[in-house]
Amino acid sequence: KNQVEQSPQSLIILEGKNCTLQCNYTVSPFSNLRWYKQDTGRGPVSLTIMTFSENTKSNGRYTATLDADTKQSSLHITASQLSDSASYICVVSAASGTYKYIFGTGTRLKVLA
Amino acid sequence: KAGVTQTPRYLIKTRGQQVTLSCSPISGHRSVSWYQQTPGQGLQFLFEYFSETQRNKGNFPGRFSGRQFSNSRSEMNVSTLELGDSALYLCASSLLTSDTGELFFGEGSRLTVL
Repeated sequence: KNQVEQSPQSLIILEGKNCTLQCNYTVSPFSNLRWYKQDTGRGPVSLTIMTFSENTKSNGRYTATLDADTKQSSLHITASQLSDSASYICVVSAASGTYKYIFGTGTRLKVLA
Repeated sequence: KAGVTQTPRYLIKTRGQQVTLSCSPISGHRSVSWYQQTPGQGLQFLFEYFSETQRNKGNFPGRFSGRQFSNSRSEMNVSTLELGDSALYLCASSLLTSDTGELFFGEGSRLTVL
């Protein structure tokens, strides 16, 4: 069964600290993996997209890694800011099949001053 | 450049009614996909349209339907509303198909079913 699991469910950190969010998937055949940031009451905003051959991609203070062998991805946030408080959603796309997009339930991050 | 526009932003319906939501993609984008977001289930894929044709469909009942017009604007319809249909409905557009391109989401339409 195609699944995407994210951990932790929620996280609280102090401003300026780093953090890492995890995403494990069992989607097959794999097409790509995306990380999104969703502020409360807003639509998700794309952070990174990675295909099978990419194992690291950065977007400012956000760095995503992908290990296609272990089917794991992580999103590392460096020097967190209050504006990083949001939900972070991992989405894995299947290369075929009816249900192409499998979403994780997200990690809710709270950055405190 | 205008973003993805969804209307209405908020609406309240009663069980048994039907609802139509609209999505205007970014100018030039040909793919529109729809998603349902609830606290319990998270984001779930509904369907994707490209050049007026449905490319993919998620695991939702036939009460959920959609279409895309020649100008790429899309509508989704939910008939015979149930309490469990209360959710944030998001649409996203991408330049070509959504397979590898970046998705740009709208702010969503929040539907409450009483």
